[in-house]
Amino acid sequence: DSGVTQTPKHLITATGQRVTLRCSPRSGDLSVYWYQQSLDQGLQFLIQYYNGEERAKGNILERFSAQQFPDLHSELNLSSLELGDSALYFCASSAGDRGNEQFFGPGTRLTVL
Amino acid sequence: GQQLNQSPQSMFIQEGEDVSMNCTSSSIFNTWLWYKQDPGEGPVLLIALYKAGELTSNGRLTAQFGITRKDSFLNISASIPSDVGIYFCAGQTASGTYKYIFGTGTRLKVLA
Repeated sequence: DSGVTQTPKHLITATGQRVTLRCSPRSGDLSVYWYQQSLDQGLQFLIQYYNGEERAKGNILERFSAQQFPDLHSELNLSSLELGDSALYFCASSAGDRGNEQFFGPGTRLTVL
Repeated sequence: GQQLNQSPQSMFIQEGEDVSMNCTSSSIFNTWLWYKQDPGEGPVLLIALYKAGELTSNGRLTAQFGITRKDSFLNISASIPSDVGIYFCAGQTASGTYKYIFGTGTRLKVLA
């Protein structure tokens, strides 16, 4: 158990809908990272927050957004969902904003029908 | 998106054999992380490397941070069935946003 929690574990929705994925980092970690993993693919970095502020951005679509709240949990919002958005979405956390080991949560499997 | 070149893509080995895999890039990295991922689960951190030339072990696993800072290697000795899974390297860029870039993964299958 990495100490990172993610909810829900599974999510099934329809095209055009909007969903919110939630992540709680390990106790004491200030950074939260979001990754997308499509079937049998590697991990694609989406976005990083550090202590409530956006720190780095990867290949995140404009339809996706995220935020980190004062209690350090984070939410990833996916809107106008398309079939191609079906994937595993992972959250990871680390102590600092760079040069730190990242610990991953169990992931949320999103299926868009 | 940008990814590291990881090889081999997959490998079948006999139980008890040693395994080697590597990641290479044209970019310089500050940090290398190696992860193992089981199907449908989150990646689990195996080894972290912070200095060029660093050699670090974790049980039967040994990883090295390449001298050029553009590559890293992971070795697994005396493989066992539970070593089955996908192994990912991740390199932290040395400039800009210092984000991590993940390798394409090595799928390991161990034959008992």
